[in-house]
Amino acid sequence: EVQLLESGGGLVQPGGSLRLSCSASGFIFSDYAMSWVRQAPGKGLERVSSLTNGGDQIKYAESVEGRFTISRDNSKNILYVQMNVLRAEDTAVYYCVKDGGDHGRILYPEVWGPGTMVTVSS
Amino acid sequence: QSALTQPASVSGSPGQSITISCTGTSSDVGSYNLVSWYRQDPGKAPKVIIYEGTKRPSGISRRFSVSKSGNTASLTISGLQAEDEADYYCCSYAGFGTFVFGTGTKVTVL
Repeated sequence: EVQLLESGGGLVQPGGSLRLSCSASGFIFSDYAMSWVRQAPGKGLERVSSLTNGGDQIKYAESVEGRFTISRDNSKNILYVQMNVLRAEDTAVYYCVKDGGDHGRILYPEVWGPGTMVTVSS
Repeated sequence: QSALTQPASVSGSPGQSITISCTGTSSDVGSYNLVSWYRQDPGKAPKVIIYEGTKRPSGISRRFSVSKSGNTASLTISGLQAEDEADYYCCSYAGFGTFVFGTGTKVTVL
């Protein structure tokens, strides 16, 4: 069974930093693209960032470009996102998502973790 | 990349059929047969119910069907049941390793 578990969320002040991690199990992590998707309270889903299985193709939403950095460690089956210069509008539940595309491509979100809450507030 | 447009809410009585539209552009929905649909219950993570345009994961009822015309994809729930009440999101591949979500639709069973 595919399992994804996010960690690292919490309360941070505006301008601060946070690193989220996602531990993956139940599938060959190095075969699949992964993404971070967020959902602000009471709002819809927003793709934050994605990367292919080997990390050679990386995409960011315009809203986080230059502030967030996605990465992965295929030897440890862990996905990361480093979030810097956080703003109030970054407050959201952040989901780790396994992609359903074959050959490690980014195509569509398939399996979701339970999410971790990030709150940016003074 | 702009979000795909969905109606904010759709409602129906038990046994009826409802349809949720998902309107994008020629750069996403109109260009790829790669629309997926998700159900999200309150406080839970989304769960895929349709992927790669028409495929249903194991365990997903055949009451969920899809169609597409031009830049608009649609999800139809037939034989509406109380348990179908949830938020539903569409998502389309948009090229160059990106995908975009719909605005979300709250389904209410009257």
